[in-house]
Amino acid sequence: DGGITQSPKYLFRKEGQNVTLSCEQNLNHDAMYWYRQDPGQGLRLIYYSQIVNDFQKGDIAEGYSVSREKKESFPLTVTSAQKNPTAFYLCASSSPSWEQYFGPGTRLTVT
Amino acid sequence: GQQLNQSPQSMFIQEGEDVSMNCTSSSIFNTWLWYKQDPGEGPVLLIALYKAGELTSNGRLTAQFGITRKDSFLNISASIPSDVGIYFCAGLNTGNQFYFGTGTSLTVIP
Repeated sequence: DGGITQSPKYLFRKEGQNVTLSCEQNLNHDAMYWYRQDPGQGLRLIYYSQIVNDFQKGDIAEGYSVSREKKESFPLTVTSAQKNPTAFYLCASSSPSWEQYFGPGTRLTVT
Repeated sequence: GQQLNQSPQSMFIQEGEDVSMNCTSSSIFNTWLWYKQDPGEGPVLLIALYKAGELTSNGRLTAQFGITRKDSFLNISASIPSDVGIYFCAGLNTGNQFYFGTGTSLTVIP
């Protein structure tokens, strides 16, 4: 079954700790994305990567970091510098025809 | 970043009724995508549109790519309880960046 997996589904952290969210895809897509979803708002782009070993900042990259060492994997680290990290995080990948597919999401709660 | 104007924000309809929602933008898009999202889950791609004027169906869902390339419409015919959820649009601009609507919350009353 082809798709995108994100783990864990729920994540709890104390303020001041870095946390890494996993995203893996077996769709053989070059492009991958991280979005943040907050209640009542549209998805906001954090980082995206069009190819391995390359990535660009999105609209709200401050306090986040990513890596793209493998085509299948695009982990997101939420650092202690992110002022309001509690949110629902969605990973996505897109096909060459720009159909974008999403993973199931990770809900991060920082207290 | 740019967000798309999506309306209505919410809809409460009787089972069996048809539903219409739309997204508008001040910019031109090359691709329009429509998604359905259930609470706490990732969005699921429903329909992709690639050409101005294109009309595409997926079962009871029909979507259209507006002629001006600045809007798109989604219709759901003969709604059923499992249609409940949040529907949102996404547009791909000429710089290959995706932008998203804020969603339409659909409630179907049996």
